[in-house]
Amino acid sequence: NAGVTQTPKFQVLKTGQSMTLQCAQDMNHEYMSWYRQDPGMGLRLIHYSVGAGITDQGEVPNGYNVSRSTTEDFPLRLLSAAPSQTSVYFCASSYSSLSVFSYNEQFFGPGTRLTVL
Amino acid sequence: AQKVTQAQTEISVVEKEDVTLDCVYETRDTTYYLFWYKQPPSGELVFLIRRNSFDEQNEISGRYSWNFQKSTSSFNFTITASQVVDSAVYFCARSEDKDSNYQLIWGAGTKLIIKP
Repeated sequence: NAGVTQTPKFQVLKTGQSMTLQCAQDMNHEYMSWYRQDPGMGLRLIHYSVGAGITDQGEVPNGYNVSRSTTEDFPLRLLSAAPSQTSVYFCASSYSSLSVFSYNEQFFGPGTRLTVL
Repeated sequence: AQKVTQAQTEISVVEKEDVTLDCVYETRDTTYYLFWYKQPPSGELVFLIRRNSFDEQNEISGRYSWNFQKSTSSFNFTITASQVVDSAVYFCARSEDKDSNYQLIWGAGTKLIIKP
């Protein structure tokens, strides 16, 4: 199993550019999520998905779009990059989030370091 | 959102010392899970432990141990006989019920530096 994979590892954008961060998992996990990590702030949830065709907003969704057309893939789109979106982005997956009794640990990708100039 | 607080921003100890990382959380949920993750300098996030709110038994795994006290809403993590490889940022997190969809609320992390 490759686990959770993310591409690219590093990206530099200019203000106003758009791009898509890719995330894929091969564990047949229902739940997938995107976080951003900023210094001193822990991880903050951007968007999440509880299954193919279902997405919802997290704590900091503005400026980002997601879609989930397959169980495996969960891309994150930056619509018009801003310097405030400079961060490290992590994709994560887990079996399920729909019952606290089945709530399992999340598996994380290696992260994408994004710089917006 | 109900918070997860890791009051220690950075801790520095000499190798072989014991060190405890504190985690205090707020929650209105009666059933929840608590987690610890490690983020070494390489950047990946490594799962360490999951504990549910009904299980207050302390857990030991090698040099690692966890003390869950529901009465004080704390889930502290102790490393015994620390080693340089333990140097990392450690995150505590709690599950939160958001309209029957469970998400993780994260602390800001504690950077642990183990000096040789």
